[in-house]
Amino acid sequence: QSALTQPPSASGSPGQSVTISCTGTSSDISGYNFVSWFQQHPGKAPKLIIYEVTQRPSGVPDRFSGSKSGNTASLTVSGLQAEDEADYYCSSYAGSNNFIFGGGTKLTVL
Amino acid sequence: QLQLQESGPGLVKPSETLSLTCTVSGGSISSTTHYWGWIRQTPGKGLEYIGNIYYSGSAYYSSSLKSRVTISVDTSKNQFSLNLNSVTAADTAVYYCASRHGGHGPKFDSWGQGTLVTVSS
Repeated sequence: QSALTQPPSASGSPGQSVTISCTGTSSDISGYNFVSWFQQHPGKAPKLIIYEVTQRPSGVPDRFSGSKSGNTASLTVSGLQAEDEADYYCSSYAGSNNFIFGGGTKLTVL
Repeated sequence: QLQLQESGPGLVKPSETLSLTCTVSGGSISSTTHYWGWIRQTPGKGLEYIGNIYYSGSAYYSSSLKSRVTISVDTSKNQFSLNLNSVTAADTAVYYCASRHGGHGPKFDSWGQGTLVTVSS
């Protein structure tokens, strides 16, 4: 299976909103409502911020939201803050207890 | 709050076997709600799913690594392990262990800090 496709970079100013896309196929993203998003700061482990397309774990600010349309999932970060500057990765179930990740998007807060 | 910690050699020779262990604390590896997985990240690149295991011993692997990977669980020690054989330089990566909440897809909700494994002679 190929990795999910994410833009390598995204940026926005403090207070703005930014959306990161994650494109897959009918064998993964559009086939299941099992998309997760992870935030990773430099030198740290990834942190789960969205699961099952739209769900936020306890403690994750509601500035983070997820959605899906067809083969593409999206992560929107509203009211950008300096601490949101990080790498973001999507992941999808791909059937047969298999999971795939996107290549990651580096979010810069200008 | 689950805590996971990877351990194992930081340097492995080409063609040999990479072996890592993940110790789970703050919860039982015999949980019926979680699977226990391995994910790696090559330097400067993205994440790659390796596989995961249930406390019963049922293991599932990435199709791309399946021929070289074995994941096992030791419930008496609250640990699970990764063996990757016939390694090459391409297997140099930070290896993470993580818990996955079953029934929710890739809901990897707790992660270890990661351990860098370099493949070199």
